[in-house]
Amino acid sequence: DTGVSQDPRHKITKRGQNVTFRCDPISEHNRLYWYRQTLGQGPEFLTYFQNEAQLEKSRLLSDRFSAERPKGSFSTLEIQRTEQGDSAMYLCASSLFRWLRAEQFFGPGTRLTVL
Amino acid sequence: DQQVKQNSPSLSVQEGRISILNCDYTNSMFDYFLWYKKYPAEGPTFLISISSIKDKNEDGRFTVFLNKSAKHLSLHIVPSQPGDSAVYFCAARLNYGGSQGNLIFGKGTKLSVKP
Repeated sequence: DTGVSQDPRHKITKRGQNVTFRCDPISEHNRLYWYRQTLGQGPEFLTYFQNEAQLEKSRLLSDRFSAERPKGSFSTLEIQRTEQGDSAMYLCASSLFRWLRAEQFFGPGTRLTVL
Repeated sequence: DQQVKQNSPSLSVQEGRISILNCDYTNSMFDYFLWYKKYPAEGPTFLISISSIKDKNEDGRFTVFLNKSAKHLSLHIVPSQPGDSAVYFCAARLNYGGSQGNLIFGKGTKLSVKP
């Protein structure tokens, strides 16, 4: 399977703990995006990378959130001191940047539950 | 303030008939529009897209129409099949400063196709 993969698929943690999620994009894609989705809402943008560079961060991305893409391949999203409001589905997507196209391809997501 | 709106939370259609899903947007700077389909516990799957310089794009049973003056787009599925039952998200890309980054999603419409 050469699609976007995410690990873990599910994470249950206690409030105050740190969690880290991993995303492996489609291999030839140079852009990687993180979104968050809560019940009844569409995905909301968090941040994106072009190769190793983090080009944009949403206001939703508080100081407790940090994302990296160290070698321009996989990416990690870390949430420090988790809060119950962080419970959501965290989605990763990748794309091959082309001026006239905007398709992003999503992974299966990581469902985070903060108790 | 929602920039992409899907005003119908749900839609029920008989198998073989046409499904029409609607989406309205407010920002004239959107340059690309996409439809995604989502099954429970999976990430969104890209379905079809349209550039703002076009008014129609067709792919098999799926056609997307864009009316820029009305800031409205729609997805037509003909004929509808039970396997089309899912949540459909409309998304738009904001083109500003040449960055062409994240997508902005609507809240989704749940389509049920009855046999």
